[in-house]
Amino acid sequence: DAMVIQNPRYQVTQFGKPVTLSCSQTLNHNVMYWYQQKSSQAPKLLFHYYDKDFNNEADTPDNFQSRRPNTSFCFLDIRSPGLGDAAMYLCATSAHLEAYEQYFGPGTRLTVT
Amino acid sequence: RKEVEQDPGPFNVPEGATVAFNCTYSNSASQSFFWYRQDCRKEPKLLMSVYSSGNEDGRFTAQLNRASQYISLLIRDSKLSDSATYLCVVDDQGAQKLVFGQGTRLTINP
Repeated sequence: DAMVIQNPRYQVTQFGKPVTLSCSQTLNHNVMYWYQQKSSQAPKLLFHYYDKDFNNEADTPDNFQSRRPNTSFCFLDIRSPGLGDAAMYLCATSAHLEAYEQYFGPGTRLTVT
Repeated sequence: RKEVEQDPGPFNVPEGATVAFNCTYSNSASQSFFWYRQDCRKEPKLLMSVYSSGNEDGRFTAQLNRASQYISLLIRDSKLSDSATYLCVVDDQGAQKLVFGQGTRLTINP
């Protein structure tokens, strides 16, 4: 089945220690998104890629970076995680920018100690 | 004002009851509207799109009122498995992205 896969599902990192979360998709979608979701809050868009074009949300901290080496994979790098970065990180895809239906991966739950 | 606002919840209703959620949005240019369902500690999943004429999918009915910038979701004959958080989602027209509401938590009691 075509799907969005995230690894790892659970990640524990130390304060200030860089961490990378990964997302892959078999849907062959052009757009990939990264969201941050904290408990009882709405998913918050961090950035998205349309093909290789990177689009950063204005309020996304510089501490968060992303890479998309090919259509299938997208990575979220957190350079120096703080306690406030503990959250669920959701990857999503859509066929194109105007196709607002998004397909989400299962998420990576990040804990910062 | 938040871009997408939902009923605060939580809603606790008995099995078999009918329950309705409301959502308002601030961007009058928005064109696409959705309801997503999110189970505890899981990812959001598309429940249904919301069309101008209103639409129904089994026990679920969605309505859109553009004049009032208001969306609703009605669940009839609720099941225990309907317990989840329901997210109202609206496109941010021009920015080519979706804006999510905070969600309304629903618990169906036996």
